[in-house]
Amino acid sequence: DTEVTQTPKHLVMGMTNKKSLKCEQHMGHRAMYWYKQKAKKPPELMFVYSYEKLSINESVPSRFSPECPNSSLLNLHLHALQPEDSALYLCASSQDATIQETQYFGPGTRLLVL
Amino acid sequence: GEDVEQSLFLSVREGDSSVINCTYTDSSSTYLYWYKQEPGAGLQLLTYIFSNMDMKQDQRLTVLLNKKDKHLSLRIADTQTGDSAIYFCAPRSGGYNKLIFGAGTRLAVHP
Repeated sequence: DTEVTQTPKHLVMGMTNKKSLKCEQHMGHRAMYWYKQKAKKPPELMFVYSYEKLSINESVPSRFSPECPNSSLLNLHLHALQPEDSALYLCASSQDATIQETQYFGPGTRLLVL
Repeated sequence: GEDVEQSLFLSVREGDSSVINCTYTDSSSTYLYWYKQEPGAGLQLLTYIFSNMDMKQDQRLTVLLNKKDKHLSLRIADTQTGDSAIYFCAPRSGGYNKLIFGAGTRLAVHP
């Protein structure tokens, strides 16, 4: 089973709202990732967690706050977002972040910021 | 920084072969991936090739790697309408598992 699940599928929020995106995997993977994909663009890496510790932050604004409560779960907390943050947010996982392991992606959460 | 280039659009007739090309700049890429994305969906891993290989075949998919020219291609045999999607080339770079995505090639399959 190579399934990564993400909730919610769709999210609409105002610029003053606080919301969270959730990602879950039960493959025993120890690396998890957040990507942002704007329309008609490739995915862009935001964060990498390795063994529940944040290992890469690709200069993402602080209005995006990742959290990895355990090895199966990855959250992305959103606060005071801007309309240009509207995008598809993809989660991925791999066996390990430091060796050559394949990343498996979830279906994404489509976010619209009004 | 690393760069990955793909042609943006490819149109083929159903039953023909499709060839999607990709060039990259990072010669240290050891694994090179192909992902498929259907409209409104996440990324589906199609196949990958290790840099010490020239070719990998997986059912209808054939991946060719020219490491000297940093050129990667994906051939889909007997292309079907269900193959219509965006295909991303993604070499892996860096000490961490960082994928560098190309812009994606939109494959349109027509009768």
